[in-house]
Amino acid sequence: DGGITQSPKYLFRKEGQNVTLSCEQNLNHDAMYWYRQDPGQGLRLIYYSQIVNDFQKGDIAEGYSVSREKKESFPLTVTSAQKNPTAFYLCASRTGATGNTIYFGEGSWLTVV
Amino acid sequence: QKEVEQNSGPLSVPEGAIASLNCTYSDRGSQSFFWYRQYSGKSPELIMFIYSNGDKEDGRFTAQLNKASQYVSLLIRDSQPSDSATYLCAVRRNNNDMRFGAGTRLTVKP
Repeated sequence: DGGITQSPKYLFRKEGQNVTLSCEQNLNHDAMYWYRQDPGQGLRLIYYSQIVNDFQKGDIAEGYSVSREKKESFPLTVTSAQKNPTAFYLCASRTGATGNTIYFGEGSWLTVV
Repeated sequence: QKEVEQNSGPLSVPEGAIASLNCTYSDRGSQSFFWYRQYSGKSPELIMFIYSNGDKEDGRFTAQLNKASQYVSLLIRDSQPSDSATYLCAVRRNNNDMRFGAGTRLTVKP
């Protein structure tokens, strides 16, 4: 089946640890995005990438890092520098510069314990 | 000023009524406009998108765009209890990033 796969769905992290959230798509999409959603809030853009080996910061990039070594993959690392990482993380992808259809993965819940 | 603004609600309508959801955006160079529905604990699902001024209809949903006023709306006709969700307005800007509003929570009462 085509789509976006995020893993893990649920993750618990101890304070001071880095954690990497996986996002893989088999839709042959060029652009990929990472958003953060806090309870009762909208989506805030962390990073986005329009092509392989290129990415741009969104509004809340501090404490996060990404890579885009392959078209299919856009992993997000939540570093220990991110002070309030507990949130719902959503990965999305979109085809080409003119494409309008954006797809979301099922999301990853990260909790700091 | 936020990039994309929506009334947080909650908006409550009776079953069978028309629900009207509104959104304004700040970047005049924005190209495309989207409405998503998000159920609690789930990822957003695309309802429809619009990029030309005027109305676009898809079943019970109608999106309206007025670029001069920087305003987008979504009308849901014959609202059903299953339409109860949070509706997110999203805007694709000239640099191709996608910005979302905080969402409007809609409740359709049987």
